[in-house]
Amino acid sequence: EVQLVESGGGVVRPGGSLRLSCAASGFTFDDFGMTWVRQAPGKGLEWVSGLNWNGGRTGYADSVKGRFTISRDNAKNTLYLQMNSLRAEDTALYYCARGQTAREGLDVWGQGTTVTVSS
Amino acid sequence: QSVLTQSPSTSGTPGQRVTISCSGSSSNIGSNYVYWYQHLPGTAPKLLIYRNNQRPSGVPDRFSGSKSGTSASLAISGLRSEDEAGYFCAAWDDSLSVWMFGGGTKLTVL
Repeated sequence: EVQLVESGGGVVRPGGSLRLSCAASGFTFDDFGMTWVRQAPGKGLEWVSGLNWNGGRTGYADSVKGRFTISRDNAKNTLYLQMNSLRAEDTALYYCARGQTAREGLDVWGQGTTVTVSS
Repeated sequence: QSVLTQSPSTSGTPGQRVTISCSGSSSNIGSNYVYWYQHLPGTAPKLLIYRNNQRPSGVPDRFSGSKSGTSASLAISGLRSEDEAGYFCAAWDDSLSVWMFGGGTKLTVL
């Protein structure tokens, strides 16, 4: 069964850091680009970041550029999102999804991990 | 946030056909594939339609997608109670280089 399981969410103070992980199983991980999407409370979905199969090509939303870093470890079948200088507006449910490009689509999603930035 | 336009809610009775629309622009829907998802709170979004009108294996043929210009639609025929859920669209935007998502449509089966 193809599965994505996010972890690493929690409560952090403004200015703090968190690293999210997304463990992939049931498919050949390095055949696919990967993406992070978030949903703030009461808001719609927002694309956060994506990267290609080997991490050599990455993209970020303007709202997180310079603060968040996406990466992957293909040997561990795991996607990461390092989040620094966190702000209250980063509070959201963070999903990882398989796929990156317009042609691939985002075809498999995890259930998400919650990040709360609050003092 | 990067938003494609969807009506917030719609409803139908069992057996009925409902359509959910998604409106964008030439840089997203107008030039890229549209994807449709079903989403229940607390669960992972499920892909229903990819590349405008293709169904993944396991998705019933009651679900169909179409695209015309800068708009797309998801149709659900033979409505069933288990179809009561949120539905959202997605497309890549070439100008902004971001994935854009619809705000979601809540389908109620009366």
